[in-house]
Amino acid sequence: SAVISQKPSRDICQRGTSLTIQCQVDSQVTMMFWYRQQPGQSLTLIATANQGSEATYESGFVIDKFPISRPNLTFSTLTVSNMSPEDSSIYLCSVQKGGGTATSEQFFGPGTRLTVL
Amino acid sequence: AQSVAQPEDQVNVAEGNPLTVKCTYSVSGNPYLFWYVQYPNRGLQFLLKYITGDNLVKGSYGFEAEFNKSQTSFHLKKPSALVSDSALYFCAVRDPVKAAGNKLTFGGGTRVLVKP
Repeated sequence: SAVISQKPSRDICQRGTSLTIQCQVDSQVTMMFWYRQQPGQSLTLIATANQGSEATYESGFVIDKFPISRPNLTFSTLTVSNMSPEDSSIYLCSVQKGGGTATSEQFFGPGTRLTVL
Repeated sequence: AQSVAQPEDQVNVAEGNPLTVKCTYSVSGNPYLFWYVQYPNRGLQFLLKYITGDNLVKGSYGFEAEFNKSQTSFHLKKPSALVSDSALYFCAVRDPVKAAGNKLTFGGGTRVLVKP
């Protein structure tokens, strides 16, 4: 398994501001993912962040709105920029161990609950 | 494109009774299937996965799942439910084709409520 921590655990922000969420893993991993989840709803993949390359964004998500950093194999950040109330959600960091093979499962952090006023 | 359906938004079961959470999938080839559980205010926890081999997969906390290729299903089961099993359950699928980028596609989730 993997132990994943996220900071902050929750935050309340004003519209128009930006928030950077940190994800720290207890071991080196190749593949990291950022998801968004409305409370009680399903998960939507925002982007895949592999160390040493640009993040790959899913349809509907753009780098200007959700810039991602991946400086090393144990850390990543997701910034939610120019926030609006529609960005209120839970943001989850996830990692895939096992060399990133398609058979290996993903592990998830505890999430960051964001409320935008 | 890969997709997952969880036809039940909520499942209610009495403690001690069998629990089944349904999942059907759609992928272009042979699927890799996963079940996760999310307790309130927590991240997702991995329960089990099907990659290949035996159609009955055993996982954490006494859960198991049966892969049925003809019905494109991967239902999660527990013979005797506990109140502590009350949570949100997600089925997920990954297309083994490399070009899919290892992306997991999640179902909509099923809320399980186990009553004492």
